Amino acid sequence: SQKIEQNSEALNIQEGKTATLTCNYTNYSPAYLQWYRQDPGRGPVFLLLIRENEKEKRKERLKVTFDTTLKQSLFHITASQPADSATYLCALRDYKLSFGAGTTVTVRA
Amino acid sequence: GAVVSQHPSRVICKSGTSVKIECRSLDFQATTMFWYRQFPKKSLMLMATSNEGSKATYEQGVEKDKFLINHASLTLSTLTVTSAHPEDSSFYICSAGGAEYNQPQHFGDGTRLSIL
Repeated sequence: SQKIEQNSEALNIQEGKTATLTCNYTNYSPAYLQWYRQDPGRGPVFLLLIRENEKEKRKERLKVTFDTTLKQSLFHITASQPADSATYLCALRDYKLSFGAGTTVTVRA
Repeated sequence: GAVVSQHPSRVICKSGTSVKIECRSLDFQATTMFWYRQFPKKSLMLMATSNEGSKATYEQGVEKDKFLINHASLTLSTLTVTSAHPEDSSFYICSAGGAEYNQPQHFGDGTRLSIL
């Protein structure tokens, strides 16, 4: 069966450090992988989309990598800030958009 | 950017009543909208795909008579939870956009439904 696994349920880091989140998938052959941010009681907000032929993509302090051989994506938040505290979801699309359970990041001041 | 508005944000009602949730795309037309359900600390689960002018497509295990979807215009889809019971209490989220695989979906802010 298809699975999207985000390895850490929670990640606590010190302000200024880099947070690294992992997304692994099985039984998908995605052409695209997406990352979203979700704050408590809110809907997800789109952050980044990476194509299978892109090894890395950046947006401000965010960086995403996509390794189709390992079936894995890494999501990095550099120079983290308390405002980055949220749950981050990876998502893959076949006929529908499916999400991992998310990793909740808490950045301590 | 694309904006999706969802209303109401919170509903508390008695068991047996029906509840309607609205999802509007404010600055773009959406022939397709999506309805998700999310349990605490769990991922979003797609319930159904709402298609403008035609019947919704429901995911396996979702009761179409319990969760009625209407997509009467290019900017509005509604989800009606009929004869709601406590087990229907959840966080319901709609989205629009993402018609192509390389496009993101835009989500509403969700509706917290509590059935007493």
